[in-house]
Amino acid sequence: DSGVTQTPKHLITATGQRVTLRCSPRSGDLSVYWYQQSLDQGLQFLIQYYNGEERAKGNILERFSAQQFPDLHSELNLSSLELGDSALYFCASSPFDRNTDTQYFGPGTRLTVL
Amino acid sequence: GDSVTQMEGPVTLSEEAFLTINCTYTATGYPSLFWYVQYPGEGLQLLLKATKADDKGSNKGFEATYRKETTSFHLEKGSVQVSDSAVYFCALTPLGYNKLIFGAGTRLAVHP
Repeated sequence: DSGVTQTPKHLITATGQRVTLRCSPRSGDLSVYWYQQSLDQGLQFLIQYYNGEERAKGNILERFSAQQFPDLHSELNLSSLELGDSALYFCASSPFDRNTDTQYFGPGTRLTVL
Repeated sequence: GDSVTQMEGPVTLSEEAFLTINCTYTATGYPSLFWYVQYPGEGLQLLLKATKADDKGSNKGFEATYRKETTSFHLEKGSVQVSDSAVYFCALTPLGYNKLIFGAGTRLAVHP
């Protein structure tokens, strides 16, 4: 158990809908990261927050947005969903904002868009 | 841009065989290097890491050495077990950034 929690574990929805994925980092960790894992694109970095502020952005679609709240939990919002958004979404956390930090991953949310 | 290339799988071995999974990277400066493992139906777990050239990361019998001259970080284990069956990902974080850049993953299957 990494100490990172994600809810829900599974999500099934329809095209055009909007969903929210939630992540609670390890106690004391200030950075939260979101990754997408799909069969065709592998593991891709989406976005990082550090202590409530956006720190880095990767291949995140404009239909997707995220935020980190004062209690350091984070939410990833996915809207106007398409079939191709079906994937496993991982949250990770790390103590600070250093490239030497280990990132600890949650169990993931499996999103299925029908 | 920065990238990671790792050997394609699947790799199929008998129990107690020697394991090598090759990983090379392209990056400016000195990235940090990681191996993560993903067991079926689970998230990623850190296996080992190295943050500077010539560092050796090790954990649970697995080892990898950060080779700057060959831009490599090959994963090795002397004697694999059935419980090592999983997908292994090589990854880096570029200098100045914390995003993990992953290789495609290598599936390992160990048979008794």
